[in-house]
Amino acid sequence: GAGVSQSPRYKVAKRGQDVALRCDPISGHVSLFWYQQALGQGPEFLTYFQNEAQLDKSGLPSDRFFAERPEGSVSTLKIQRTQQEDSAVYLCASTLAGEVNEQYFGPGTRLTVT
Amino acid sequence: GQNIDQPTEMTATEGAIVQINCTYQTSGFNGLFWYQQHAGEAPTFLSYNVLDGLEEKGRFSSFLSRSKGYSYLLLKELQMKDSASYLCAVLDSNYQLIWGAGTKLIIKP
Repeated sequence: GAGVSQSPRYKVAKRGQDVALRCDPISGHVSLFWYQQALGQGPEFLTYFQNEAQLDKSGLPSDRFFAERPEGSVSTLKIQRTQQEDSAVYLCASTLAGEVNEQYFGPGTRLTVT
Repeated sequence: GQNIDQPTEMTATEGAIVQINCTYQTSGFNGLFWYQQHAGEAPTFLSYNVLDGLEEKGRFSSFLSRSKGYSYLLLKELQMKDSASYLCAVLDSNYQLIWGAGTKLIIKP
């Protein structure tokens, strides 16, 4: 596709459920980022991949959060035993090689934990 | 700690000019980005400054002063479609983007 796609666009989960959020980056983009954005706030960094290697996961808020990109293209962010404070929009962004390139964002997944 | 400050909300009139300020304190600096985000949509890239001075791109310009830890985004000839949040983000020494909370710009006819 032409841009970054994410699925699902909306997800409602009951507290304690596990969820998996998918990101399809732009073809050929080496770097992939996951962010969490609360309402009225800027994105907060979660984790970063270069190809299949997860180079930085310092932003993951707890060990309930896990991300993977096994073949260096599609990435999945998994949240186990969801809690209400996990409710947010989860944004995925990709760039060409090189950290200073502009990031192209997907539309995000809005997660609501009830 | 790392900090990006920008006003929460601004209001301007269609056809006018508005300046959105951003100040930052980060561990290292590898450039500053401005992104536009319409409600419910993804952020889209507007500008990138790494050297001091003004970068002009159509109706939008972005300025950087590294010594002052300061940037602004200047929007000219405002249109209703410019109503959005404008996010300032700094690339720190670890090449991690540190984001401000965004400035919600409201354009009135």
